[in-house]
Amino acid sequence: SQQGEEDPQALSIQEGENATMNCSYKTSINNLQWYRQNSGRGLVHLILIRSNEREKHSGRLRVTLDTSKKSSSLLITASRAADTASYFCATASGGGADGLTFGKGTHLIIQP
Amino acid sequence: GAGVSQSPSNKVTEKGKDVELRCDPISGHTALYWYRQSLGQGLEFLIYFQGNSAPDKSGLPSDRFSAERTGGSVSTLTIQRTQQEDSAVYLCASSFNGVEPQHFGDGTRLSIL
Repeated sequence: SQQGEEDPQALSIQEGENATMNCSYKTSINNLQWYRQNSGRGLVHLILIRSNEREKHSGRLRVTLDTSKKSSSLLITASRAADTASYFCATASGGGADGLTFGKGTHLIIQP
Repeated sequence: GAGVSQSPSNKVTEKGKDVELRCDPISGHTALYWYRQSLGQGLEFLIYFQGNSAPDKSGLPSDRFSAERTGGSVSTLTIQRTQQEDSAVYLCASSFNGVEPQHFGDGTRLSIL
C-alpha cells in the first residue's frame, strides 16, 4: 500500500533553478529515504534521514524531516538537465521484513 | 558484477503462461527484496529474504506468485498462469544485512498479452 504522497506530481523548471519536492507519510518511521529513477531504469538511492534527524545535506541535495507533521522535503539546488527524473520518497517503519513503502513520485523536468 | 542484476530485462508472454524472473544481488548482501511497479499501484513491496531464512509471503499479490532464494544468493520470482494485471516492472533490491539503503536492479518489464 502507498504510504507517502509526493507533491507536486510533476515539476518543470529552468536549468540552474532550485527544485523542491515534498513528501507526506502516515505511520511512524525509522527512517525516510529519497530515490531517483531515470526512465526505464531502477531506483538510485540519494539520501537517508533518520527519524531523530531534522536536516541532512549531500552535495546539491538537502533533505528535511518533520516527524510531527509526518513530512519531508527534498531540495535540489542549481539544477542540471541530468537531474531530469522521477523522485520517490520511501519510508522504513520496522525491520527489513516490511520492505520500503514508496510514495507515488514527483516527475522533475529540467529545461536546458 | 558491481550492482544488482536482473534478467530478463524484458519479457512478453501470453496470458496463462508461467514466467520466471531472476535477481542476482550484490555480492555479500544478505537481504534481498522484490517490488512491483505499475502505473495504477505505484511501487509495491512484495517479499523480503534475509539470508536463508524463510520469507514472509503475505505481501505477494496472490497465490500465483512465489519466490525462492537458493543458497542465500540468487532469487527467482515465479508467476504462474499469468494475467494481464500482472503486467508491470518487477524490481529487485539488495542491502547489507537488512541495513538501508537498498540497491536496486534495473528491473524486468513484464508484458502479458
